[in-house]
Amino acid sequence: DVKVTQSSRYLVKRTGEKVFLECVQDMDHENMFWYRQDPGLGLRLIYFSYDVKMKEKGDIPEGYSVSREKKERFSLILESASTNQTSMYLCASSLAVRAQYFGPGTRLLVL
Amino acid sequence: AQSVTQLDSQVPVFEEAPVELRCNYSSSVSVYLFWYVQYPNQGLQLLLKYLSGSTLVKGINGFEAEFNKSQTSFHLRKPSVHISDTAEYFCAVSSSNTGKLIFGQGTTLQVKP
Repeated sequence: DVKVTQSSRYLVKRTGEKVFLECVQDMDHENMFWYRQDPGLGLRLIYFSYDVKMKEKGDIPEGYSVSREKKERFSLILESASTNQTSMYLCASSLAVRAQYFGPGTRLLVL
Repeated sequence: AQSVTQLDSQVPVFEEAPVELRCNYSSSVSVYLFWYVQYPNQGLQLLLKYLSGSTLVKGINGFEAEFNKSQTSFHLRKPSVHISDTAEYFCAVSSSNTGKLIFGQGTTLQVKP
């Protein structure tokens, strides 16, 4: 079974803090994705990566950056957290154009 | 551009009744189609996928979906639902040349006793 893990299930941070969300997959998938999910807005793609050290912007990259130093790990960084970044963050991985497999999500609250 | 429309935002149904969750997509290229389920405070779990071959796809938990190319639909069905099927369901499409998914807005299935 594919396993995608995220470093935290729940996280509380203060405005202006730098926040790191980590995602690790164990199936040697080349593609990894970061989404945020908000009520009424569905899932929105923040960034994705097709290979190590490679990244591409998704639909809502503003205020976020990513890092992929190793194939199995994809990090989402909030350089200076703001209250409008309070959300559920979901990481996913996939092989080529096959199905994406999701982690359990991180619910982030920015105060 | 691709898009996905889930025609119902909420579907209430009684336990042991059949259910159909509707999904229509638009795309100018070949597509792959997926259904995911999300339980409260959890990530998305893959229910089933259509990549090629038979248009009737069977998934986990007794769900199945039928790919209809002429109607650009991929409706999800289950002949008899359980209370435990209460969740949000997402339809998604990806094109044949990228790994990106386009998601529908989701359908909340509410199974009542």
